[in-house]
Amino acid sequence: QKEVEQNSGPLSVPEGAIASLNCTYSDRGSQSFFWYRQYSGKSPELIMFIYSNGDKEDGRFTAQLNKASQYVSLLIRDSQPSDSATYLCALGGSGSARQLTFGSGTQLTVLP
Amino acid sequence: EAQVTQNPRYLITVTGKKLTVTCSQNMNHEYMSWYRQDPGLGLRQIYYSMNVEVTDKGDVPEGYKVSRKEKRNFPLILESPSPNQTSLYFCASSLRPGGTTEAFFGQGTRLTVV
Repeated sequence: QKEVEQNSGPLSVPEGAIASLNCTYSDRGSQSFFWYRQYSGKSPELIMFIYSNGDKEDGRFTAQLNKASQYVSLLIRDSQPSDSATYLCALGGSGSARQLTFGSGTQLTVLP
Repeated sequence: EAQVTQNPRYLITVTGKKLTVTCSQNMNHEYMSWYRQDPGLGLRQIYYSMNVEVTDKGDVPEGYKVSRKEKRNFPLILESPSPNQTSLYFCASSLRPGGTTEAFFGQGTRLTVV
């Protein structure tokens, strides 16, 4: 059974700061890693995905993956109040159709 | 516009009264799934479908049924709802199996069973 752990927060950062969100997982067979953002009362939407060790940057967002240590993180630079949301870490595997497993999410608040 | 459409958005029902939540996608995706979201527990998969007439249980299938008679539709059926099925439900679709490509989510259905 794959397990995905996230700090539920809430995490508060001031506007313009870097927000760091972390996720650890137990299944070493995990192949793909996703970060979804979910605004209150809305559906999740994909922000980033990463498959290989290292960093992947997309605008203000950077995903970091370390398979040896079994963690994946999301950095949000120049945080904006509009980034206030719950961030869900999700893991996929190879082969099995149902292997998209979500963490419980970290609630982020960016203070103006 | 590419989208996943769920209906209804909100539903209050009584224990034991059968209900169906519809889900439709217009992206020609083969893979569809249903999740429920509860505070502190995140999104948990109920059922998934690899293609028409191919469905299988997820992590929390008890009390639910699904069908996939057409590629675009994947309804969730609660034959005899109970209060512990009060939750926020999401349908999702993806081009390939759920762990390999982006999942697109419907708007959600907030179900209350009294």
